[in-house]
Amino acid sequence: AQSVTQPDIHITVSEGASLELRCNYSYGATPYLFWYVQSPGQGLQLLLKYFSGDTLVQGIKGFEAEFKRSQSSFNLRKPSVHWSDAAEYFCAVGSSNTGNQFYFGTGTSLTVIP
Amino acid sequence: NAGVTQTPKFQVLKTGQSMTLQCAQDMNHEYMSWYRQDPGMGLRLIHYSVGAGITDQGEVPNGYNVSRSTTEDFPLRLLSAAPSQTSVYFCASSSRSLTGGVNINEQYFGPGTRLTVT
Repeated sequence: AQSVTQPDIHITVSEGASLELRCNYSYGATPYLFWYVQSPGQGLQLLLKYFSGDTLVQGIKGFEAEFKRSQSSFNLRKPSVHWSDAAEYFCAVGSSNTGNQFYFGTGTSLTVIP
Repeated sequence: NAGVTQTPKFQVLKTGQSMTLQCAQDMNHEYMSWYRQDPGMGLRLIHYSVGAGITDQGEVPNGYNVSRSTTEDFPLRLLSAAPSQTSVYFCASSSRSLTGGVNINEQYFGPGTRLTVT
């Protein structure tokens, strides 16, 4: 069965510092991987996605993620965090076999300190 | 485009009451889904639909019903509300793409409905 693990429940970084949020997945076939961001009281917004091809994908707001099949990981990175990046981040894996079902991780809450 | 809209934004129910959470999308997406979001548990799939007239159960379907009579609308019904259904509910939609053999696209989410059952 598909599953997604986000090992870090909460991360605190200083503004301007680099950021890496971890995501590990379990899926038998080639996964379709996504990162979403949720600001307080809001819905989820897509940051980036990986379907195939180049394993380093660029997203919005200066985020990028790298797909590593050997490690079953899809970690999200940003070289310099801004205060506005404080939010909840969700990794998700999509299944093309069963009607576009998505499986989400439990999320990582990011706090940015000045 | 309005995208995915959900009503109401907030709702308080008493145990045993019924209600329908509305979801509509104007992007002509084939796929629609309902999730609930609870602290520390991420988003869990309740029900989903791959097209009008077709629905299926997700991870946590008990206590919820859905129907999909049109492409645009995908209402979620709580038949007899229970305190365990206190949660934030999100509706999402996505299109089916055959580009490069990939038949899945990212989901677009509504703003959510915060439901409290007392």
